[in-house]
Amino acid sequence: QKEVEQNSGPLSVPEGAIASLNCTYSDRGSQSFFWYRQYSGKSPELIMSIYSNGDKEDGRFTAQLNKASQYVSLLIRDSQPSDSATYLCAVIGQGGKLIFGQGTELSVKP
Amino acid sequence: DGGITQSPKYLFRKEGQNVTLSCEQNLNHDAMYWYRQDPGQGLRLIYYSQIVNDFQKGDIAEGYSVSREKKESFPLTVTSAQKNPTAFYLCASSTHLRARSYNEQFFGPGTRLTVL
Repeated sequence: QKEVEQNSGPLSVPEGAIASLNCTYSDRGSQSFFWYRQYSGKSPELIMSIYSNGDKEDGRFTAQLNKASQYVSLLIRDSQPSDSATYLCAVIGQGGKLIFGQGTELSVKP
Repeated sequence: DGGITQSPKYLFRKEGQNVTLSCEQNLNHDAMYWYRQDPGQGLRLIYYSQIVNDFQKGDIAEGYSVSREKKESFPLTVTSAQKNPTAFYLCASSTHLRARSYNEQFFGPGTRLTVL
C-alpha cells in the first residue's frame, strides 16, 4: 500500500462545477496535510494546509480532513479553466518529512 | 522579494559529467530540501538539511551529493554515478522541520536536467 494515494485522473469537470479531489494516507500518526497545485512544466504551489478534522475554506477552495477514515479532500467550487492543473496531496510522515501522492490531473472544460 | 531561486532553469549534461544545481533562499528558513520529479510521477526526496553543516539522505540519495555551508544555499551535485539523472529537480524550504507537525514547504521554480 502506498503511503499517500490519489486517483491519477484525469478528472474532467465543466466550467462552474465543483471539482472534488481525494487523497488517502496510511500513517495514522500524521497530523499535517497539504494540497499543492502544479501547472504543466512548473513547480508545485502550496494552496491549502489543514491540521484539524473538519473543513477549512479559503476562497473557492475547501479542504476536508477526516483522520478517523484517513482521508483528506479538496473541493474547488465554481471551477475555472485556469484551475486545470495537477493537484498533489502531501502528508507529514515519519521524521517530519513530506510524503507526496502521485497527483490528480484536473481538466476544467469551458 | 522573498523567495527561492534555482539555476539554471535548463541544464544539459553529457554522460559521465558531474553537474551542480543551485538553490538559494532569502526566506530565513532553517530547513531545505531537494526533490526529483519524473514525468507523471510524484516527488521523491533526495536530500534534506535542517541546519547549516548538517544534511540527511532522503529516499533516493544514491548518485547525488549536497552541501549546506550557508543557511541560504543548498546546492545539489548530480554525479556520474546517478544512472538515470534526466528529471525535473525541485528545491524547497520550510521554517524548520518538526516531527509530524506543520512544516509548510515552499518550492523554487525548478531545474530541468537532460542527459545527452
